[in-house]
Amino acid sequence: RKEVEQDPGPFNVPEGATVAFNCTYSNSASQSFFWYRQDCRKEPKLLMSVYSSGNEDGRFTAQLNRASQYISLLIRDSKLSDSATYLCVVKTGTASKLTFGTGTRLQVTL
Amino acid sequence: NAGVTQTPKFRVLKTGQSMTLLCAQDMNHEYMYWYRQDPGMGLRLIHYSVGEGTTAKGEVPDGYNVSRLKKQNFLLGLESAAPSQTSVYFCASRIPGTNYEQYFGPGTRLTVT
Repeated sequence: RKEVEQDPGPFNVPEGATVAFNCTYSNSASQSFFWYRQDCRKEPKLLMSVYSSGNEDGRFTAQLNRASQYISLLIRDSKLSDSATYLCVVKTGTASKLTFGTGTRLQVTL
Repeated sequence: NAGVTQTPKFRVLKTGQSMTLLCAQDMNHEYMYWYRQDPGMGLRLIHYSVGEGTTAKGEVPDGYNVSRLKKQNFLLGLESAAPSQTSVYFCASRIPGTNYEQYFGPGTRLTVT
């Protein structure tokens, strides 16, 4: 079983729609969680950290469910510019390493 | 600040050739990382460094060597390239502590024929 699993998509949604992605992680000792965004043929960039109580940044909301070991990302009022691959990232253990999911591709259309 | 830069951006190698990828950061970050990204596999950690003069193996270190002689530079070497090393290579860096955000370079696209 992969440490971090995501539905690869693609998710095709019209502009203005709400879309949600889930990610599951296998190690219950995982401590920190993040969503990164990667545009086509570009480097990943941090979108937001995910906190236990859930957190929001504008149109983006991240949630963590430790009991079920999943993380979610909700995007409201989708924009064309949101089209990208969203990477679920988990930190486990004391080492300075992150584990990246394979990503979920989002395509927002007119 | 340029952030994290990588040299070269593209390279084609023949099987058995060697090369070095250079990563440089001007943010004074202690930690640096080399990843490879392949379709359907996600980013996989090759080697990393928690400070000048130190390196450690990641998830997929075989066939690669690294050096961190200066804090701002992290070199990734392929001694004898193989077609299985065709990939996009990303370098990243971050500060120590509980801010785990990694800053990535633009990547190097390597093809081994």
